[in-house]
Amino acid sequence: QKEVEQNSGPLSVPEGAIASLNCTYSDRVSQSFFWYRQYSGKSPELIMSIYSNGDKEDGRFTAQLNKASQYVSLLIRDSQPSDSATYLCAVIFSSGSARQLTFGSGTQLTVLP
Amino acid sequence: NAGVMQNPRHLVRRRGQEARLRCSPMKGHSHVYWYRQLPEEGLKFMVYLQKENIIDESGMPKERFSAEFPKEGPSILRIQQVVRGDSAAYFCASSPGEGYEQYFGPGTRLTVT
Repeated sequence: QKEVEQNSGPLSVPEGAIASLNCTYSDRVSQSFFWYRQYSGKSPELIMSIYSNGDKEDGRFTAQLNKASQYVSLLIRDSQPSDSATYLCAVIFSSGSARQLTFGSGTQLTVLP
Repeated sequence: NAGVMQNPRHLVRRRGQEARLRCSPMKGHSHVYWYRQLPEEGLKFMVYLQKENIIDESGMPKERFSAEFPKEGPSILRIQQVVRGDSAAYFCASSPGEGYEQYFGPGTRLTVT
């Protein structure tokens, strides 16, 4: 069974620090990787997508992908209290007609003012 | 450009009644996915549809649940004879194609009394 695993958390960082969120996945042929942010009682919000090895930066967010190690991470620079949320790693495993997102259980991040 | 729309946002049903959840994808998106988030659990895939076709329903419970995405109008997730265990948040997501980013709607919170 294809799986996505994340740090169990919760993770607390002081305001202005770098938050590092990690994720591993079980299938080597996976092609598409995503990070979502979900505030309590709200729907998931797409933060980053990454499809090839290396780093991808968007503002304060950097996604890193290492397919050989089956590892994807999200760095949040200059963390703000408004970044406090649950961060979900999601993978599209490429098999047959499957195109759905498989989610990790999420890492709860708290940014302390 | 309007995002993914879902209605109703909150739905209360008594055991044995039917629940109908609606989803209109983002403009230009023809791929629709339904996910369920049970209380204190992660997001789980239910079904993937394109216009007039069910592509993958591997995550749907075998009984009482059905989904459609007609040529005209929104996608509908139908739950017949609801039970208390169906109480959850149901999210719809849409994408412009397979393997691309999926954008989530605000969700429908179903409560079965």
